[in-house]
Amino acid sequence: NAGVTQTPKFRILKIGQSMTLQCTQDMNHNYMYWYRQDPGMGLKLIYYSVGAGITDKGEVPNGYNVSRSTTEDFPLRLELAAPSQTSVYFCASSYSPGYTEAFFGQGTRLTVV
Amino acid sequence: GQQLNQSPQSMFIQEGEDVSMNCTSSSIFNTWLWYKQDPGEGPVLLIALYKAGELTSNGRLTAQFGITRKDSFLNISASIPSDVGIYFCAGGYGGSQGNLIFGKGTKLSVKP
Repeated sequence: NAGVTQTPKFRILKIGQSMTLQCTQDMNHNYMYWYRQDPGMGLKLIYYSVGAGITDKGEVPNGYNVSRSTTEDFPLRLELAAPSQTSVYFCASSYSPGYTEAFFGQGTRLTVV
Repeated sequence: GQQLNQSPQSMFIQEGEDVSMNCTSSSIFNTWLWYKQDPGEGPVLLIALYKAGELTSNGRLTAQFGITRKDSFLNISASIPSDVGIYFCAGGYGGSQGNLIFGKGTKLSVKP
């Protein structure tokens, strides 16, 4: 009954540090997504994946990288953290794009100082 | 990037009141979804709409997919305190495009 699980829940990074946000889903969904949510701005797509080994850029991909080696996992990598990457990050998954609902994780709140 | 126009931005409710919010877009969508987000949590799906003109209910919530496919509304009847939160609309294109486009949200608060 886990759904989409994200770790960590909170993290503070210094400028220039790197980190990986983890996301795993147990629903056997093909599609996975990373969104960022800034205050009052809704959610913006960073990267998405339509299946293992396939990823594509979303609306705001700069400063991020992803990989999808398995159906279950879709980690998001920040290489050189910048203050502009302070945000709440949500991972989501869906069985197929658009026509069925996307299920979200609980989010990772990241602060870059 | 494209965004949906969601209104109102915020509203105050008194228990028992009906609530209405809507989203409009310059583009046609194949799917409209409505989510609710509580503080510190991820968005949770409330209603999914897949056909133009479709009217769907989920308890006290009713949502419609506009005929033009460029808008959708969500109504909450007889609001209760646990309805407080942020409501997001999202439009999806389907096909090979995997992402949803989100509105900026409507924040529902309780009247003091």
